Amino acid sequence: AQKVTQAQTEISVVEKEDVTLDCVYETRDTTYYLFWYKQPPSGELVFLIRRNSFDEQNEISGRYSWNFQKSTSSFNFTITASQVVDSAVYFCALSEWGNSGGYQKVTFGTGTKLQVIP
Amino acid sequence: EAGVAQSPRYKIIEKRQSVAFWCNPISGHATLYWYQQILGQGPKLLIQFQNNGVVDDSQLPKDRFSAERLKGVDSTLKIQPAKLEDSAVYLCASSLNQRSYNEQFFGPGTRLTVL
Repeated sequence: AQKVTQAQTEISVVEKEDVTLDCVYETRDTTYYLFWYKQPPSGELVFLIRRNSFDEQNEISGRYSWNFQKSTSSFNFTITASQVVDSAVYFCALSEWGNSGGYQKVTFGTGTKLQVIP
Repeated sequence: EAGVAQSPRYKIIEKRQSVAFWCNPISGHATLYWYQQILGQGPKLLIQFQNNGVVDDSQLPKDRFSAERLKGVDSTLKIQPAKLEDSAVYLCASSLNQRSYNEQFFGPGTRLTVL
């Protein structure tokens, strides 16, 4: 069975600090995808990034970076020089084929609430 | 491009009453999802449609919840009768198709309070 663990329930940082959000996953599939979504106070989840299980290259997009390590089943998300607008709940998600095959099965973690204090 | 639309945004009902939520996905998206998000938790999949067929409803409490997606576009989720524990945000999402790599696009959600 697939599982996503986000052990950090809430994190508070002061503006301009760097912060890393942890994500650990479990799956028996060899082919899968990992996602990060942001849920601001308005409530609408927004897609941030996707990673497939065969691509372990780290990725950087502006102040955001992602570290995927298959050996430790982790897909961590770092925000550099955090800003107040980064305050939100961040979800890690795992996508693979459903048990019956032929459809996408997505499991979300419980989320990490990030508060950036000005 | 218009996003995923949901209505109503908020709903307050008494327990044992019925309620229905509506979702209009992004045009051309074949896959539609309904999630339940209880405060402080991640989204939990209730039902997943591919066009107008159900591909996963394993976590849908079928004694009280029902959903349909007529004509493979709009969808409605109904709760009848509601219980206190149904208080949550109900999120609708859509994706282009069922491929594992597709990201989901979410609507703003409907916040349900059952009194």
